[in-house]
Amino acid sequence: EAGVVQSPRYKIIEKKQPVAFWCNPISGHNTLYWYRQNLGQGPELLIRYENEEAVDDSQLPKDRFSAERLKGVDSTLKIQPAELGDSAVYLCASSRTGDDGYTFGSGTRLTVV
Amino acid sequence: SQQGEEDPQALSIQEGENATMNCSYKTSINNLQWYRQNSGRGLVHLILIRSNEREKHSGRLRVTLDTSKKSSSLLITASRAADTASYFCATDESNYQLIWGAGTKLIIKP
Repeated sequence: EAGVVQSPRYKIIEKKQPVAFWCNPISGHNTLYWYRQNLGQGPELLIRYENEEAVDDSQLPKDRFSAERLKGVDSTLKIQPAELGDSAVYLCASSRTGDDGYTFGSGTRLTVV
Repeated sequence: SQQGEEDPQALSIQEGENATMNCSYKTSINNLQWYRQNSGRGLVHLILIRSNEREKHSGRLRVTLDTSKKSSSLLITASRAADTASYFCATDESNYQLIWGAGTKLIIKP
């Protein structure tokens, strides 16, 4: 099992630029999550997918953040335009069901300068 | 919003000693999960304990859950240097959304 794969591992961009993160969950995991984690804090949910449907995006700042999970497999999270406060680690996780432990990717560390 | 609160925020012990971390939460849950995060890495799922369970073991890990007190503890026995990491508890409410605490930073001194 390959695990949850995220790319890129690191990204440094200037403010106001766009950025995108990619996530490939574990095969067969229907539920996919995007989290944001600031230094010294726990993860905060941005969006949760059940297959291709976003079932919880209440914490996603929709003015600048967007996400998609076409075909219910891999997913992309985009920020446009990025702000200094978006600097954080963006984590993708998947689970077989909602009532199951999550498998996390290694995350993308975003630095906005 | 963060429901789980870990205690202590930081813990430093000698290798070989036991480490105990606590987690308190506020609302009814389906299950409670513990994760480990090494510096600069993703989170690794350790143990899931359901609301009708009181204790669970996995290797050197022992987790307890007291739903009347809305609290859980994670015990790591015979600690090793490789156990140095941050440990997070996360509670699963009825809508399958995990709510996370801020974590306990554990340092094992050789």
